[in-house]
Amino acid sequence: DGGITQSPKYLFRKEGQNVTLSCEQNLNHDAMYWYRQDPGQGLRLIYYSQIVNDFQKGDIAEGYSVSREKKESFPLTVTSAQKNPTAFYLCASKLGYVGNSNQPQHFGDGTRLSIL
Amino acid sequence: GESVGLHLPTLSVQEGDNSIINCAYSNSASDYFIWYKQESGKGPQFIIDIRSNMDKRQGQRVTVLLNKTVKHLSLQIAATQPGDSAVYFCAEIHNQGGKLIFGQGTELSVKP
Repeated sequence: DGGITQSPKYLFRKEGQNVTLSCEQNLNHDAMYWYRQDPGQGLRLIYYSQIVNDFQKGDIAEGYSVSREKKESFPLTVTSAQKNPTAFYLCASKLGYVGNSNQPQHFGDGTRLSIL
Repeated sequence: GESVGLHLPTLSVQEGDNSIINCAYSNSASDYFIWYKQESGKGPQFIIDIRSNMDKRQGQRVTVLLNKTVKHLSLQIAATQPGDSAVYFCAEIHNQGGKLIFGQGTELSVKP
């Protein structure tokens, strides 16, 4: 079945450690996104990408990095510079261009990151 | 400032009743709206969308109403079932840039 796969489901980070969250989609979508969700809150945009080898900062990019080496993959690295990384991280993708406002984003089932 | 917000953080309904979840938005430039359902530990699931040139759109047991005059969006769920229990988010997209802005969410609880 087509969809968005995020892994791992749960992840623990030690102080000073970088961790990478995986996001893979087989929907042939061009645009991909990373969001952070804190308890009882909506989603905040971290990074997004329209095409391979291109990505843009969202509203809360500090302490995070991404890459887009393949169309179907958009991994997120939470660096040691992110001082409050505990959150639920959601990856999304969308058909068409980022600027196209006529298509919904579809989400994976998230990765919950906690601090050891 | 720009925001998409919800009137009620929680809503409790009896099984079989209809549910109405409300959402206010502030940016008149938004031209596309989406309702998502998020169950515990899962990602948001697309329910229904509506474009700004429409007032109403119906899906299976769900209806979205858009009132551009007062910048109000609502989601109606007919014959609410226990499986409808979740947090519901409205989201808007501006007609430039395609940035998706989420509201805080409403938690729907269905009593058997």
